Amino acid sequence: GAVVSQHPSWVICKSGTSVKIECRSLDFQATTMFWYRQFPKQSLMLMATSNEGSKATYEQGVEKDKFLINHASLTLSTLTVTSAHPEDSSFYICSASKGGLVYNEQFFGPGTRLTVL
Amino acid sequence: EDQVTQSPEALRLQEGESSSLNCSYTVSGLRGLFWYRQDPGKGPEFLFTLYSAGEEKEKERLKATLTKKESFLHITAPKPEDSATYLCAVRYSGAGSYQLTFGKGTKLSVIP
Repeated sequence: GAVVSQHPSWVICKSGTSVKIECRSLDFQATTMFWYRQFPKQSLMLMATSNEGSKATYEQGVEKDKFLINHASLTLSTLTVTSAHPEDSSFYICSASKGGLVYNEQFFGPGTRLTVL
Repeated sequence: EDQVTQSPEALRLQEGESSSLNCSYTVSGLRGLFWYRQDPGKGPEFLFTLYSAGEEKEKERLKATLTKKESFLHITAPKPEDSATYLCAVRYSGAGSYQLTFGKGTKLSVIP
């Protein structure tokens, strides 16, 4: 199988606080993980690509100082939303690629619903 | 202009009524077209990858096909449990090696 988990599944926080979301590949090693954001009735938008042991690559328009990504091991990547504001409320989904081949499909986690009050 | 366009946005079918979902793309240098199923409040579930025109893949009641400019997801005799949003995504040269560009999805509802 190719199972990806996320924790927490939902979180509610106050404006100005930081929130950490974990993404784990449970039964395979993932050299590359991805973080997406999905607004209601919209498609998935790639935020950043995370490679184990190196700095993440952020998509245009995504603030790297606000969305901190750490990929410390082959099975874990974390996304920290710093100083969260209501406009950061969204559904955050991670995915992971098996192996190192360019054409591998991505397997997605169940998502984390972030609500900032 | 959207690079990946899915149609229709929403589709209601009676149980057993076969139909097709469309995904058209304008990117060049296609390196893979992917179909995912997404249930409400969940992450996408991988269904198929297609790499070249003429390729077909099947899984239970689903069959995906690919041409040079579009892909179809055929649903044969759908059941209520097939209700979900179906997402299409492409990977292409010119974007990041691993990057997937998603369409907005087709929300399928199968009525018993």
